Amino acid sequence: DGGITQSPKYLFRKEGQNVTLSCEQNLNHDAMYWYRQDPGQGLRLIYYSQIVNDFQKGDIAEGYSVSREKKESFPLTVTSAQKNPTAFYLCASSTRLGSIHEQYFGPGTRLTVT
Amino acid sequence: AQKVTQAQTEISVVEKEDVTLDCVYETRDTTYYLFWYKQPPSGELVFLIRRNSFDEQNEISGRYSWNFQKSTSSFNFTITASQVVDSAVYFCALSGSYNNNDMRFGAGTRLTVKP
Repeated sequence: DGGITQSPKYLFRKEGQNVTLSCEQNLNHDAMYWYRQDPGQGLRLIYYSQIVNDFQKGDIAEGYSVSREKKESFPLTVTSAQKNPTAFYLCASSTRLGSIHEQYFGPGTRLTVT
Repeated sequence: AQKVTQAQTEISVVEKEDVTLDCVYETRDTTYYLFWYKQPPSGELVFLIRRNSFDEQNEISGRYSWNFQKSTSSFNFTITASQVVDSAVYFCALSGSYNNNDMRFGAGTRLTVKP
């Protein structure tokens, strides 16, 4: 089945540690996205990538980093510079560049930093 | 700047009641796209509908219907004869005409359908 995989579903880290969240898709989509969701709020865009080896900052990129070495993979690293990293992180992908298509979402990773 | 407002934070209904979720948007684009997503307790957002700004026809899909009115900048979502499985958080979203990078989500409406 085609889809987006995020692992792990729950992640716990100590403050000051970097942590990498995995996102893999087998939908052959060009574009991939990372969103952050906080309780009672909508999704906010962290980073997006339209093609391999290229990515752009979203609205709240500070304290995060990404890479896009393969079309299928778009991992997100939450660095120790992120002041409030505890949140629900959602990865998404969409089919074509330069056009509007619905985004398909993974199951999310809930990160807790103590 | 684009903005989506979902004024209803939480709604609770009893099964078989009809319920409407409101969505009001702001944009300066003449061409734009509106979306609704469902987020069940599992967390994954599920795409429900996409509507472009030139298509004001209402749409019905089973128990779901959408009312798009450009005059009031609204894109409301109605569930007819609600069921317990409809319990979820519903997000309205708006995207500009060129790409998905500027998609803006509303804060979401949590719908609880009680048996």
